[in-house]
Amino acid sequence: DAGVTQSPTHLIKTRGQHVTLRCSPISGHKSVSWYQQVLGQGPQFIFQYYEKEERGRGNFPDRFSARQFPNYSSELNVNALLLGDSALYLCASRTPGHLYEQYFGPGTRLTVT
Amino acid sequence: AQKITQTQPGMFVQEKEAVTLDCTYDTSDQSYGLFWYKQPSSGEMIFLIYQGSYDEQNATEGRYSLNFQKARKSANLVISASQLGDSAMYFCAMRELTGGGNKLTFGTGTQLKVEL
Repeated sequence: DAGVTQSPTHLIKTRGQHVTLRCSPISGHKSVSWYQQVLGQGPQFIFQYYEKEERGRGNFPDRFSARQFPNYSSELNVNALLLGDSALYLCASRTPGHLYEQYFGPGTRLTVT
Repeated sequence: AQKITQTQPGMFVQEKEAVTLDCTYDTSDQSYGLFWYKQPSSGEMIFLIYQGSYDEQNATEGRYSLNFQKARKSANLVISASQLGDSAMYFCAMRELTGGGNKLTFGTGTQLKVEL
């Protein structure tokens, strides 16, 4: 079975631009969460979506938004990019009833110049 | 607010030896879960072990065990018989189990290097 997939794997953007990151959960998983991991730190929670509805939001500015599609895949959008948005963006999926079976994708490494 | 503290930025261990990675946590919730993840240089977070706050026994998964001391709010990871492939970043994380949310709060990680 395929794991969580994310695209693209690497991305270079310029300050002020917009970026869209994509995530496909494991088949059957309805919950998707996004995390930002700045170099040298642990991941920080950005969003959780379940059944296309936002179920949780971390302490990130409104420049960050996300959505989940009927097939449970998800997009993370970041507007007006800042240098500080350079990070590894991780997507995780899990299925209801499995409290600890949360699987992470390989991440998208975003560099803002 | 939840907080995870990992005080060891880096650890070295010899191959085949055991190593303990420290983790302390802070939460006002009675129901929570504690996790350890391994992150190789490739970036993917690999789930290692889970401990629920109401679990009476310490969790074990193969060479990994979690030394859970609830009164001290600590959840240390013990890796037995270290292997070269264990060299990676290790993160302790916590999730509240009430409310159905899926937010994990991570520590800053410990970089483990296994030497010959």
